[in-house]
Amino acid sequence: EDQVTQSPEALRLQEGESSSLNCSYTVSGLRGLFWYRQDPGKGPEFLFTLYSAGEEKEKERLKATLTKKESFLHITAPKPEDSATYLCAVGRSSGSARQLTFGSGTQLTVLP
Amino acid sequence: ETGVTQSPTHLIKTRGQQVTLRCSSQSGHNTVSWYQQALGQGPQFIFQYYREEENGRGNFPPRFSGLQFPNYSSELNVNALELDDSALYLCASSPEGAAYEQYFGPGTRLTVT
Repeated sequence: EDQVTQSPEALRLQEGESSSLNCSYTVSGLRGLFWYRQDPGKGPEFLFTLYSAGEEKEKERLKATLTKKESFLHITAPKPEDSATYLCAVGRSSGSARQLTFGSGTQLTVLP
Repeated sequence: ETGVTQSPTHLIKTRGQQVTLRCSSQSGHNTVSWYQQALGQGPQFIFQYYREEENGRGNFPPRFSGLQFPNYSSELNVNALELDDSALYLCASSPEGAAYEQYFGPGTRLTVT
């Protein structure tokens, strides 16, 4: 059975203190690794898609990397506005459907 | 370009009742997926619609059903509501040929009392 595990569950950082979030996964037939940001009471906002081991993508202070078993979301010099829950998901086929299986997320708080 | 919209924003229902949630997909997107997100958890896949047909379902009972219309908007219907159905219901749309790239709406918060 597909499994996506995110760690840590919660992370508190001082503004400017860089860190990484982890997403480990087991899936038969990976169809992409997806990172989303979710603010309280809102829908997830798409950040990145990674398809193969060794791939990296960057957006502002965020950088996502992928290996065969896990993905990391690196946050460089975070600001308070980066506070949110970060979700990772793996894509898999379910019949004809293209579904995402999500982890439970990492709740990031950046203190000024 | 208009993003994914959902209505209503919030809804309170009583156990045993039925509810319909609505979703308008992003312009140019023809695939719609529905997810249920319990508090503190990641979204769970309910089902996906492509060209008005359900093409896959997650581990949800038949009382969860849906529709997709010719303009690609969609409805999620839940019958015989249970307390555990209280959650944020998310709709996501995808463009042709990229069904894994899912762009989410703001969600509908359903509370069952």
